[in-house]
Amino acid sequence: AQSVSQHNHHVILSEAASLELGCNYSYGGTVNLFWYVQYPGQHLQLLLKYFSGDPLVKGIKGFEAEFIKSKFSFNLRKPSVQWSDTAEYFCAVNAKSGAGSYQLTFGKGTKLSVIP
Amino acid sequence: NAGVTQTPKFRVLKTGQSMTLLCAQDMNHEYMYWYRQDPGMGLRLIHYSVGEGTTAKGEVPDGYNVSRLKKQNFLLGLESAAPSQTSVYFCASSYDRGHGSRSYEQYFGPGTRLTVT
Repeated sequence: AQSVSQHNHHVILSEAASLELGCNYSYGGTVNLFWYVQYPGQHLQLLLKYFSGDPLVKGIKGFEAEFIKSKFSFNLRKPSVQWSDTAEYFCAVNAKSGAGSYQLTFGKGTKLSVIP
Repeated sequence: NAGVTQTPKFRVLKTGQSMTLLCAQDMNHEYMYWYRQDPGMGLRLIHYSVGEGTTAKGEVPDGYNVSRLKKQNFLLGLESAAPSQTSVYFCASSYDRGHGSRSYEQYFGPGTRLTVT
């Protein structure tokens, strides 16, 4: 079964600092990769996704992520964070389960706090 | 489109009581999912459905049952609630393969906060 690791539980940054959140997955086959964001008290929203093609994916609100197949990684980046980026970020991998259907496996999440 | 909706938004149950959470989607998605979210645990899949009339167990299915009698609805039942089921429950839906980059992208509902005392 696939698994997803997010390296940081809680990250605290000042406004304008650069952000990189790590995500590694374990699965040997073809994967689709996602980053979701959950603002306080809200549901999950898609930030960006990778299906195929250019491994550098751009998402909403200035976020981007790079898929490095050899490292099984899909790290999320933003050059300059804002207070409004305070949220919890989830990396997710979609791959075939043992039952043959596709399932999304989530990491445990990284909480980002941006200090004005 | 309303997207994915969930009812109720909040509920408090006593141990042993039963309840049903309703999820509805208007995007004609084949797949539907129920997750629970607990602090520090991320989202864990309870049950899912790959089409009308079909359901399957996810990572944490014990204590829950589901039904998908209509394509647009996915019900999550707790027959005898326990304090360990205190959580926030999210429903999601997605297309199956064959929809290009829209395949498997999950759309989430607003969540149901359940407290079992």
